[in-house]
Amino acid sequence: GNSVTQMEGPVTLSEEAFLTINCTYTATGYPSLFWYVQYPGEGLQLLLKATKADDKGSNKGFEATYRKETTSFHLEKGSVQVSDSAVYFCALRGGGYKLSFGAGTTVTVRA
Amino acid sequence: EAGVAQSPRYKIIEKRQSVAFWCNPISGHATLYWYQQILGQGPKLLIQFQNNGVVDDSQLPKDRFSAERLKGVDSTLKIQPAKLEDSAVYLCASSLDGSRGRAPLHFGNGTRLTVT
Repeated sequence: GNSVTQMEGPVTLSEEAFLTINCTYTATGYPSLFWYVQYPGEGLQLLLKATKADDKGSNKGFEATYRKETTSFHLEKGSVQVSDSAVYFCALRGGGYKLSFGAGTTVTVRA
Repeated sequence: EAGVAQSPRYKIIEKRQSVAFWCNPISGHATLYWYQQILGQGPKLLIQFQNNGVVDDSQLPKDRFSAERLKGVDSTLKIQPAKLEDSAVYLCASSLDGSRGRAPLHFGNGTRLTVT
């Protein structure tokens, strides 16, 4: 079946630092890939998505590129803000399977 | 567009009591999901409906959990009797496409359940 493995946290950064959260996946066929974000006390929000190989998803300064050759979908942001403090989940969906999540990475940005 | 609505936001019950959660998906979304998110873990699918039919309930503890989606719109998830390990956030989500689709899911804010 499908599965997602993402970098374990927690990750603590200073404001304006570069953020990378690694995500790799195992899947049959050609799944869609997603990053969801969960701010404190809130539900999951879709951050960005990519539906085919070499697609780049982007939103709010975050980017991730669907790399089929390395089965990866790493999340990056060039300059983080305190408001980016949240839990980030990598997820995939496709081939008739349910949306499968990674364990989540907690990111804390200090002023 | 209105999002996925869930209620209540918080619930505290004693073990062996029963509890019910309610979800109203985004209008027009055929597929509805219930996820359980235990603290520090990623969400785990409990049950998936397409319209009012169950597509996947393989991870639902059927001896104590039940769910229904009458008329293919709103859904309720019930736990009876609750155990301490049921303490979690219960997330409802919906998607526009069917169960074999690849579109993103839209989540509600969840119900935080504490079992004492």
